[in-house]
Amino acid sequence: ETGVTQSPTHLIKTRGQQVTLRCSSQSGHNTVSWYQQALGQGPQFIFQYYREEENGRGNFPPRFSGLQFPNYSSELNVNALELDDSALYLCASSWVLAGANTGELFFGEGSRLTVL
Amino acid sequence: AQSVTQPDIHITVSEGASLELRCNYSYGATPYLFWYVQSPGQGLQLLLKYFSGDTLVQGIKGFEAEFKRSQSSFNLRKPSVHWSDAAEYFCAVKSSGYSTLTFGKGTMLLVSP
Repeated sequence: ETGVTQSPTHLIKTRGQQVTLRCSSQSGHNTVSWYQQALGQGPQFIFQYYREEENGRGNFPPRFSGLQFPNYSSELNVNALELDDSALYLCASSWVLAGANTGELFFGEGSRLTVL
Repeated sequence: AQSVTQPDIHITVSEGASLELRCNYSYGATPYLFWYVQSPGQGLQLLLKYFSGDTLVQGIKGFEAEFKRSQSSFNLRKPSVHWSDAAEYFCAVKSSGYSTLTFGKGTMLLVSP
């Protein structure tokens, strides 16, 4: 069974640039969620994708966007990077079936983004 | 809206001693509760979860947690801590409707020899 994998593991960008982070979900999972973890904080929910559509979003501006592909992999895009976007970005996958949503998430190791 | 409070930012425990990490939640309905562990530079690993039923749940690595509805708590315990348990621990509650989690700010566990 393949776990959740994320790429790249580390990257450095400058303010105003754009970044794309990638995630391959665990085998058999159909839902992907993205979380932002700032230094010294708990993960904060960005959004979730199910059946290639966004079906939940946290308190993040529209410059945070995403995609889910037919193979359930996903991308997180952040435009117009700000210094406060520096964080560990975690992808999590899960299996969601109508009426059986336990919320158990399986996390990747994250992509650490530094914005200078 | 749901929320999770982990009142201890850091805890230091001697190796072999017992451990209890506190977690309080705020949620209107019966919660789904989780404990995750994060080693430095790593993602989150699920230790245990509570959905319903027995209020004492067992997890991996010898951890257990007890759900107490009257206290809105879900404290994590381990009878004997090992040096490899040093990490950051996060308590989380599942949001209604979606499979998304609301996390506490975490408790950093330090293990002294």
